[in-house]
Amino acid sequence: GAVVSQHPSWVICKSGTSVKIECRSLDFQATTMFWYRQFPKQSLMLMATSNEGSKATYEQGVEKDKFLINHASLTLSTLTVTSAHPEDSSFYICSARTGSGNEKLFFGSGTQLSVL
Amino acid sequence: DAKTTQPNSMESNEEEPVHLPCNHSTISGTDYIHWYRQLPSQGPEYVIHGLTSNVNNRMASLAIAEDRKSSTLILHRATLRDAAVYYCILRPRGSNYKLTFGKGTLLTVNP
Repeated sequence: GAVVSQHPSWVICKSGTSVKIECRSLDFQATTMFWYRQFPKQSLMLMATSNEGSKATYEQGVEKDKFLINHASLTLSTLTVTSAHPEDSSFYICSARTGSGNEKLFFGSGTQLSVL
Repeated sequence: DAKTTQPNSMESNEEEPVHLPCNHSTISGTDYIHWYRQLPSQGPEYVIHGLTSNVNNRMASLAIAEDRKSSTLILHRATLRDAAVYYCILRPRGSNYKLTFGKGTLLTVNP
């Protein structure tokens, strides 16, 4: 089956620094990728949708200047958490689908971000 | 988005079947019923999906009510590795969709 690789799997950073998370589709071209955030014991919350070559569409309440998303190629999307603060500590998960009307999403293994 | 309702948690014994229910009374005629599961500290993984007819795959079976207002995910023989949060999600027809997750059902499997 299709594989989505997410890196790093965990990261610890100081408050005020920026962190970049990568999401790669390894064996298919992902025209659309999604970024989710999940707090402990809660469900996944969709943050944004990114389409290759165009600007991301952010969900209501998600700061686009804080969570920068780039989807420059059909196999790579990145999420950069800028000027991270402790409240940004969370589990970030990417997912991808092809453009062929594929019925399902493929998810990365997630990135645990801890901001000190 | 059409909503789904699932029990917060369920418990099962290893090697026994598990029936995970989902109510989706506001489902539209073009919504697919998708199930994903999330193991601890991992991203979700696809389990199964259907539209009107019951579906089977190597992981599970999906039984869809005739009026489509509810569905049941069936794990035929639960194993300890099936312990996860199971999400029932309605996915609009078409390629331009996004998945919105509810709270899901936390399945505990007892040895």
